[in-house]
Amino acid sequence: GPKVLQIPSHQIIDMGQMVTLNCDPVSNHLYFYWYKQILGQQMEFLVNFYNGKVMEKSKLFKDQFSVERPDGSYFTLKIQPTALEDSAVYFCASSRTGGNSDYTFGSGTRLLVI
Amino acid sequence: GDSVTQTEGQVALSEEDFLTIHCNYSASGYPALFWYVQYPGEGPQFLFRASRDKEKGSSRGFEATYDKGTTSFHLRKASVQESDSAVYYCALGPMNYNQGKLIFGQGTKLSIKP
Repeated sequence: GPKVLQIPSHQIIDMGQMVTLNCDPVSNHLYFYWYKQILGQQMEFLVNFYNGKVMEKSKLFKDQFSVERPDGSYFTLKIQPTALEDSAVYFCASSRTGGNSDYTFGSGTRLLVI
Repeated sequence: GDSVTQTEGQVALSEEDFLTIHCNYSASGYPALFWYVQYPGEGPQFLFRASRDKEKGSSRGFEATYDKGTTSFHLRKASVQESDSAVYYCALGPMNYNQGKLIFGQGTKLSIKP
């Protein structure tokens, strides 16, 4: 079936540096999401994005986080500056609608901040 | 706020055993309910959903029935296989169009012994 691609699959970065996580969503999907999963824990919603705007963000979506999708290219999550507690797996997802359609998830980017 | 509770953190079974994973939700409205499965190193994969009271969702031999009275959506499978070993997540879908996010339970790790 259709896939969400995430690049890179792994990233190691020094604390305080900037990192950009890239997501190529399913082609006809209009809604985009980022989730955070710390090892062995549940998936936590960070943010959703539609029509060029953030629709909703959680308390985990700190001021250091930002998202964008310039000109229909990658949907990106930028963290600047990074902190040790940002180490986690970040999953991108997309859906055709904002209602109860199927959400397609990528395989995640494993971010390690050292 | 809205939430999902999965009672079992881990379940260990033998092949051909009957599986039940309990899921209860708390929501102010009438949400859709989902089951996702996550294999190691991958993102969650959509299993099935149900949107109305008494509706049954099913896929790959797994099934769950939406029960508004008991606010439950328990996952069941009559005869598990080793390949079913994974983490299973119950999730709550958006109640409003364009609200667009899934709220996940804590996940249940299913281990099947051959």
